[in-house]
Amino acid sequence: NAGVMQNPRHLVRRRGQEARLRCSPMKGHSHVYWYRQLPEEGLKFMVYLQKENIIDESGMPKERFSAEFPKEGPSILRIQQVVRGDSAAYFCASSPESGFTYNEQFFGPGTRLTVL
Amino acid sequence: KQEVTQIPAALSVPEGENLVLNCSFTDSAIYNLQWFRQDPGKGLTSLLLIQSSQREQTSGRLNASLDKSSGRSTLYIAASQPGDSATYLCAVQETSGSRLTFGEGTQLTVNP
Repeated sequence: NAGVMQNPRHLVRRRGQEARLRCSPMKGHSHVYWYRQLPEEGLKFMVYLQKENIIDESGMPKERFSAEFPKEGPSILRIQQVVRGDSAAYFCASSPESGFTYNEQFFGPGTRLTVL
Repeated sequence: KQEVTQIPAALSVPEGENLVLNCSFTDSAIYNLQWFRQDPGKGLTSLLLIQSSQREQTSGRLNASLDKSSGRSTLYIAASQPGDSATYLCAVQETSGSRLTFGEGTQLTVNP
């Protein structure tokens, strides 16, 4: 059973460009979470999604950031018009349906975004 | 608003020592607590998960305890090894399926 997969692992963008980060959850997992780790800071929650639904986006910046988890395919975190302050490691986690294995979250290797 | 604090921020010990990492949280109404390990430039590896109804969990040389009423958890590492060097993160989940709130981590260095 493959773990949570994220790609790309490293992404370089110039200011003003768009960044698309992809996350494929573990097989059988229908819950996806995105977290951000800024340099020298802890992990902060961004958004929680289930298939085709955003459950909690209270940690997402109000502008330029969006997330989706379509019926088919990976979850996408999209950052429009990136700025240097967006440089960070973005981690995706997945968990199974509620009631299984105490909702343990399993993390992917992260995407390291660098904005020039 | 839940806040998670980890003490110490950094710890350096000689190989073979037993050590304790501390985690505290402000709102005791949690669903579970997880301890993770993060190596430099890498993702998070889940070490132990403790349900709110449990007092402790053990895996190999690791033992995690939970005192929900006082808002504290400890991670005990026995007979530390250089390979244990990493950042250890504590995170709480307040309800089933909800977000994790992380502490800032303890950076552990085990010297040969």
